[in-house]
Amino acid sequence: QVQLQESGPGLVAPSGTLSLTCAVSGGSVTGSLWWSWVRQPPGKGLEWIGEIYHSGNTNYNPSLKSRVTMSIDKAKKQFTLKLRSVTAADTAVYYCARVMGQQLALFFDPWGQGTLVSVSS
Amino acid sequence: EIVLTQSPGTLSLSPGERATLSCRASQRVSSYYLAWYQKKPGQAPRLLIYGASSRATGIPDRFSGSGSGTDFTLTISRLEPEDFAVYYCQHYSSSPPIFTFGPGTKVDVK
Repeated sequence: QVQLQESGPGLVAPSGTLSLTCAVSGGSVTGSLWWSWVRQPPGKGLEWIGEIYHSGNTNYNPSLKSRVTMSIDKAKKQFTLKLRSVTAADTAVYYCARVMGQQLALFFDPWGQGTLVSVSS
Repeated sequence: EIVLTQSPGTLSLSPGERATLSCRASQRVSSYYLAWYQKKPGQAPRLLIYGASSRATGIPDRFSGSGSGTDFTLTISRLEPEDFAVYYCQHYSSSPPIFTFGPGTKVDVK
């Protein structure tokens, strides 16, 4: 059973770069699978950040595209998120998730437990 | 860009009651790409329904999804104490590739 686990600093300074890693266990990062990041600011809803394929192909949310970079390390079975020039508005719980395809449907399952990243000096 | 609207914002019900949650898309969408999640504080979102009406593995049959076109519904036939949570609908668009979530419906205890 695939499990995901986020890791990274819980505090980032304004204008700095947020960097998170998602470790995948119980399965491979290759195959017909995309891997995503989703965030939830305190008291707000869910926002998709982007996704990466094992080939390194990426798709990003247009609202964040200019600041986001994702990468993947197949050997380590992990993928990473970098978000540049962060502000307080980027404070959120960040989740990694697998994009599943089934019977033409696309959805997120499973999810990591999430990690809170605060942007503050 | 497709915008998802969920109603009501908050639904106050008692255990044992039926909950009907609505998700409306700003334009006609494929049912294949409509999913529902349950979110509790401090927990990761939990997939409930994919393809508008298919229950995810391990999801009780009191949860059901329906709808097509622009209007989709998540129904909880009889609320259990553990069902009080926030529910999000989610859509995938392929051109360009983007996932969108609705603002959520909170189901709380009356």
